[in-house]
Amino acid sequence: AQSVTQLGSHVSVSEGALVLLRCNYSSSVPPYLFWYVQYPNQGLQLLLKYTTGATLVKGINGFEAEFKKSETSFHLTKPSAHMSDAAEYFCAVHSGGGADGLTFGKGTHLIIQP
Amino acid sequence: ETGVTQTPRHLVMGMTNKKSLKCEQHLGHNAMYWYKQSAKKPLELMFVYSLEERVENNSVPSRFSPECPNSSHLFLHLHTLQPEDSALYLCASSQDPGTGGREQYFGPGTRLTVT
Repeated sequence: AQSVTQLGSHVSVSEGALVLLRCNYSSSVPPYLFWYVQYPNQGLQLLLKYTTGATLVKGINGFEAEFKKSETSFHLTKPSAHMSDAAEYFCAVHSGGGADGLTFGKGTHLIIQP
Repeated sequence: ETGVTQTPRHLVMGMTNKKSLKCEQHLGHNAMYWYKQSAKKPLELMFVYSLEERVENNSVPSRFSPECPNSSHLFLHLHTLQPEDSALYLCASSQDPGTGGREQYFGPGTRLTVT
């Protein structure tokens, strides 16, 4: 079985400050890892994904994440927060074992202070 | 239309009603999914269809009945729902994971309220 833990249901940062959203996973096989963002009244939009290869993954809107196997982590970062980054962020894992769905964390609500 | 579309966007129904949610994907994918998003709970996978065959049913109550007539369309038929079924229902699609590229693309969701 696989699971995802996102530390902190709410994270507040000042505009221009570093954004760090934490994600730890458990998986019995090498995982595929994803970050999604959800704006109010919308579906989920893919920010970035890790499959194989380079462990530092760059995504849209200036976000990036680093896969650390030894720490079973896939934290999301952005050097400088913008007001438009305020949203709900979800980390997800896929075991790659055939046609099955993603396992999501509970989400982190990112608040940007002006 | 592009991406994944869902209709209706909002639905209010009584517990004795029968309604259907519709999802359509315009991405050429061959796997489709239904998820339930409730407040303060992680997204829950409900159903998976791959190549129009149901491959997963996560112990979903029988009052939810999926239908996948072709690789572009997915329905969720609802009947005799309970108030706790009120949630955002999200549809997603992907390439068959067996061919690589396991990211899923989501529709905007249907906000369901059961009264």
